[in-house]
Amino acid sequence: EVQLVESGGGLVQPGGSLRLSCAASGFTLSDHYMDWVRQTPGKGLEWVGRSRNKANSYTTEYAASVKGRFTISRDDSKNSVYLQMNSLQTDDTAVYFCARVSSNYYYLDWGQGTLVTVSS
Amino acid sequence: DIQMTQSPSSLSASVGDRVTITCRASPGISKSLAWFQQKPGKAPKSLIYAASSLQSGVPSKFSGSGSGTDFTLTISSLQPEDFATYFCQQYASYPLSFGGGTKVEIK
Repeated sequence: EVQLVESGGGLVQPGGSLRLSCAASGFTLSDHYMDWVRQTPGKGLEWVGRSRNKANSYTTEYAASVKGRFTISRDDSKNSVYLQMNSLQTDDTAVYFCARVSSNYYYLDWGQGTLVTVSS
Repeated sequence: DIQMTQSPSSLSASVGDRVTITCRASPGISKSLAWFQQKPGKAPKSLIYAASSLQSGVPSKFSGSGSGTDFTLTISSLQPEDFATYFCQQYASYPLSFGGGTKVEIK
């Protein structure tokens, strides 16, 4: 059974940093692209970024709103994907989900999400 | 960037009703469209990909159609477990983008 479990969310001050983790099981992580998506009541669902698979050299893509502040990495030996978030702003407050991407680029599975609150 | 416009934003329906939700992409996205269902406090669940293909395990009461710019999600006979919020998503190009959601409520 495929499982994606996010962790690392919490309360952080503006300008601060946080690293989210997505623990994957039930599939071979290195075979898959992995995305991060966030959700707020006001702005709905927003794609954050992507880590391509091993065959595509783990290259990344980012939304303009987070580019230069957020970094996606992974450790396939630990079956984990990470979202390093720096220079956090109040607008980054959201529930963050990781998602497994199929070879045809649609989403297969989502994690349950982790809440990040940026506030002083 | 591709803009996804979903309508209606909410609807009220009764058990047994046929429900249709629409999603418009600008510019067009061929058939690179997915639909998701989300219940309060839960992660989205993938329902449909490639505009009309059912994800494994999803009941056949859900169906999708369309290509290019106009897409629909249809629930053939609404059941109590179907009351939720539904989102569309384009995955044709970066940045990926989502519709604003349709909340399906009990009449």
